[in-house]
Amino acid sequence: DVKVTQSSRYLVKRTGEKVFLECVQDMDHENMFWYRQDPGLGLRLIYFSYDVKMKEKGDIPEGYSVSREKKERFSLILESASTNQTSMYLCASSAGTGVNEQFFGPGTRLTVL
Amino acid sequence: RKEVEQDPGPFNVPEGATVAFNCTYSNSASQSFFWYRQDCRKEPKLLMSVYSSGNEDGRFTAQLNRASQYISLLIRDSKLSDSATYLCERALTFGSGTRLQVQP
Repeated sequence: DVKVTQSSRYLVKRTGEKVFLECVQDMDHENMFWYRQDPGLGLRLIYFSYDVKMKEKGDIPEGYSVSREKKERFSLILESASTNQTSMYLCASSAGTGVNEQFFGPGTRLTVL
Repeated sequence: RKEVEQDPGPFNVPEGATVAFNCTYSNSASQSFFWYRQDCRKEPKLLMSVYSSGNEDGRFTAQLNRASQYISLLIRDSKLSDSATYLCERALTFGSGTRLQVQP
């Protein structure tokens, strides 16, 4: 059974804090993704990675960075959290090349006060 | 215009009804389209891939209309358990979802 896990379901941080969101997949997938989901805006791609140590900007990368040191792990970093980064963050992974079915983690609800 | 657009709904239909959603897209170069289902407070899960020739899986049919640049999802004989938000995806770009509520 395929699985994508995220380090926290709920997280509360203060403005200016550095925030790490961790994602791990056990399917040996090449591709990993970070999205945020907001009401009325849907899922928006922040960053993605097609290989270890490789990263590509998505549609809304500003204020975020990522790290992929191992194939199974993809981290999202908020260098200095701001209130407009309060959102649901979803990690996903997919196999192979091109755009394929994505498997999502359960999400992290981040609140920045 | 957004790259991928969906009617947010909600679509309220009685059990047993047939309901269809469309999803319009603006970039005709893409080859990859998907429908995902998302239950309340859960993550999206793949419902169907959308092929050029159409795709049918039980009560669900997905079609691609390249000329008019939209994909569709048809649900026949709606069940209460079909109540969810349906998201379309085109090459890593998602629509904001269409909410379906099937009523007894």
